[in-house]
Formats: sequence, structure tokens, C-alpha cells
Amino acid sequence: DTGVSQNPRHKITKRGQNVTFRCDPISEHNRLYWYRQTLGQGPEFLTYFQNEAQLEKSRLLSDRFSAERPKGSFSTLEIQRTEQGDSAMYLCASSEWGWGGGANVLTFGAGSRLTVL
Amino acid sequence: AQSVTQLGSHVSVSEGALVLLRCNYSSSVPPYLFWYVQYPNQGLQLLLKYTSAATLVKGINGFEAEFKKSETSFHLTKPSAHMSDAAEYFCAVSEKYTGNQFYFGTGTSLTVIP
Repeated sequence: DTGVSQNPRHKITKRGQNVTFRCDPISEHNRLYWYRQTLGQGPEFLTYFQNEAQLEKSRLLSDRFSAERPKGSFSTLEIQRTEQGDSAMYLCASSEWGWGGGANVLTFGAGSRLTVL
Repeated sequence: AQSVTQLGSHVSVSEGALVLLRCNYSSSVPPYLFWYVQYPNQGLQLLLKYTSAATLVKGINGFEAEFKKSETSFHLTKPSAHMSDAAEYFCAVSEKYTGNQFYFGTGTSLTVIP
């Protein structure tokens, strides 16, 4: 297994453009998380999926942010009409969750860095 | 609601000295606790986790942490710092039974002085 893969690793865009990030989790993992990390801060939770169901999305930063996981495998995070304040590292993590199991341990990808000019 | 507080955003130690990174948590029920490390331009890597078994948890690279319920703490230690330990360290808490959202601290940047 190659771990959690995120693409692109770096994205530079102009304000007002739309951007999409892709995350390919570890294949047997049923949960997938998106986080945002700004300089000097810890990861900030955005949303997560269990299989294809988006179980929590209230933390998405605005209605310009949306995420999908259509077949319960890879996921995309889209930001519409980007603003300079969206510049950050967007991290994806996955985990194998099951009731009665142990702790839900997140495995992170390397992240996608967004720069909005 | 759950949260973690990391005291000290920057810690400097000499090579070979003790490393102590502090983390205090807030949770209405006993949580699961984690320490992650992040090297420049990389994602977060799990160092160790506490899941209500042994209170002293050993992780990778010689790190360990002790869960102290009375102090609501989960401090990370390493007896002897190595240059390769220089990185950003994050403490995190998650709900014990549902394993849902993870909440991360603001991180501690560790510098190792040769």
C-alpha cells in the first residue's frame, strides 16, 4: 500500500478561480477526513466521510467549500471563487473504523498546498 | 466538547538533553489521545496513542507519553534528543466511543541545538 495520496501537491491560482483537490486513501480504510492547516496552527477539521456518506460537514468554512466521495474510495475537495484567505495546506487523512475496535487512528497524506494570488 | 492545549509553541533543547512537550486536554468523557509529528512539507505521522490501556505509552523514535487523568495531561517525553527530532509536534484528542472528529492542538516546534 502506498499510503494516502494527495494531488496536486501545490496549486497556485488567482482569486476567484475554482480549485479541486483529490485524495486517494488507503484502500481498506472506510473513513476519510479533510483538514486545513495554516502556518503555525494545528490541523483544523473540515469534514469527514464514512464510506460514501458525508457524516459531518458543518465545519466546512463556507458554502464555497464542498467535498465528495462518490464511490467510497477517493474524495475531492472543491473550493469555489477562491479568496486569498483560502491559502493554506489542505490535508487528507483516512482510517479504518469499526465498532468495538480500538482507537480510530488517522493516516495523513502529504497535503496539498494552495496559494491564492 | 473536546480540546487540547499545548503549552509552549517553541521548545529548544540541546542534543542529548531531555525533551518534554506539554499537552493538556479537556473532555467530558475519557478520550483517546495522540501525538503526531510533522516534518517540513510532509503530512502528519503518528508517534503514539493512548487508548485507555497502559497509562505510559511508548511510541516510535524513543518517544513516550504518560496519561495523567488527575492532571488532564498527556505530555510527550524523550530522554535524549537527537538532531533528527527537530520537527513540529501536535497533540490530538478524539471521542472514545465514536472515534469521530479529531481535535488538534496548535503545535510545538522543537529545535535541537547541536
